[in-house]
Amino acid sequence: GDSVTQMEGPVTLSEEAFLTINCTYTATGYPSLFWYVQYPGEGLQLLLKATKADDKGSNKGFEATYRKETTSFHLEKGSVQVSDSAVYFCALRMAGGGNKLTFGTGTQLKVEL
Amino acid sequence: GAVVSQHPSRVICKSGTSVKIECRSLDFQATTMFWYRQFPKQSLMLMATSNEGSKATYEQGVEKDKFLINHASLTLSTLTVTSAHPEDSSFYICSARVRRGSYNEQFFGPGTRLTVL
Repeated sequence: GDSVTQMEGPVTLSEEAFLTINCTYTATGYPSLFWYVQYPGEGLQLLLKATKADDKGSNKGFEATYRKETTSFHLEKGSVQVSDSAVYFCALRMAGGGNKLTFGTGTQLKVEL
Repeated sequence: GAVVSQHPSRVICKSGTSVKIECRSLDFQATTMFWYRQFPKQSLMLMATSNEGSKATYEQGVEKDKFLINHASLTLSTLTVTSAHPEDSSFYICSARVRRGSYNEQFFGPGTRLTVL
């Protein structure tokens, strides 16, 4: 079946460091890919998405590029802030899948001063 | 933006009792809501799709008689864990679907932590 694998956390970085959170997927077709962020005490929020190969999603300084050849959708940010501390979830959705999202396990990011 | 609330945020109950969790869309109507379950260090697992005015659609392996879902209005879906046991302890998350142009987006609630003693 479809699945998403992302790096285990927690990831601890100093402020202004470069961030990469790896995400790879397994799917029978060509899914749409998503990154969600969950701040403490809040629900998951859509951070960015990409719907086809080579698309780049971006938001709030975060970016991820849909790489079909490596089945990856790694999340990057050039300079993290303390306020970016959260749990980040990679997810996929197949076309015609009734809006069903398949999530990775989540990666906790801690940014320190 | 679209806000989804859940109540309660935490609940502790005794084994054998039933627990109801509410999911509300606060500033929009949602014909479709989803219920997820999350175990520690694991991904969110879709349990069921809740459709307003009709029966919920359960994922394979989810007991519909144990996890009762009622979507009685366009802003409220409830999940009742019946005869709860310690293995039902988990983090339950709901989401509501909103149409954004040609795309459906899900907005998530903050989750409910259930602990069964």
